[in-house]
Amino acid sequence: DTAVSQTPKYLVTQMGNDKSIKCEQNLGHDTMYWYKQDSKKFLKIMFSYNNKELIINETVPNRFSPKSPDKAHLNLHINSLELGDSAVYFCASRTSGEETQYFGPGTRLLVL
Amino acid sequence: GNSVTQMEGPVTLSEEAFLTINCTYTATGYPSLFWYVQYPGEGLQLLLKATKADDKGSNKGFEATYRKETTSFHLEKGSVQVSDSAVYFCALSTNNNDMRFGAGTRLTVKP
Repeated sequence: DTAVSQTPKYLVTQMGNDKSIKCEQNLGHDTMYWYKQDSKKFLKIMFSYNNKELIINETVPNRFSPKSPDKAHLNLHINSLELGDSAVYFCASRTSGEETQYFGPGTRLLVL
Repeated sequence: GNSVTQMEGPVTLSEEAFLTINCTYTATGYPSLFWYVQYPGEGLQLLLKATKADDKGSNKGFEATYRKETTSFHLEKGSVQVSDSAVYFCALSTNNNDMRFGAGTRLTVKP
């Protein structure tokens, strides 16, 4: 009965590859986020979706493309992976009218 | 723009020591303030929050008071345990619900 889940938990890949990370929440929330956490633990918001519509799109390379097939899912596709993309990616969700965000366990991406 | 500044770590304490992690914020309007905790290998979990001035959030022995006059939300605990070792993030959220996080402070508690 995990609230916010991400797959895969670990992802090791070569430079130039394309990969996807999936996120699902079973909390009935209508807003979902992707964050990137670097090696120094700094947490940066990347995207926010509300009811499948893009709300926040921070300065992120266009190699990153989020997709929300429905309110419970927000996937992140990354094209042409670069060494600097190595990080932990967190999905989060919340419900409208509530500010607290609930985080997934993270996907640890390593680009070689 | 909105931002959060928290004390740099790492912080290393002995068990039962008093903990303070400083956090100050800059925001337009009246933000809600949060502390999140990230245990090793896990995602962030909400530790406590306060939604208006002078509110005190508390959980698991941790406390933080929303001080509008000093724009601060310092995290305190009277007696830390080894199990409190984690990274602590201060954060704020405004009306548009855009949450901004501080850089995180790593706490290590030694037995």
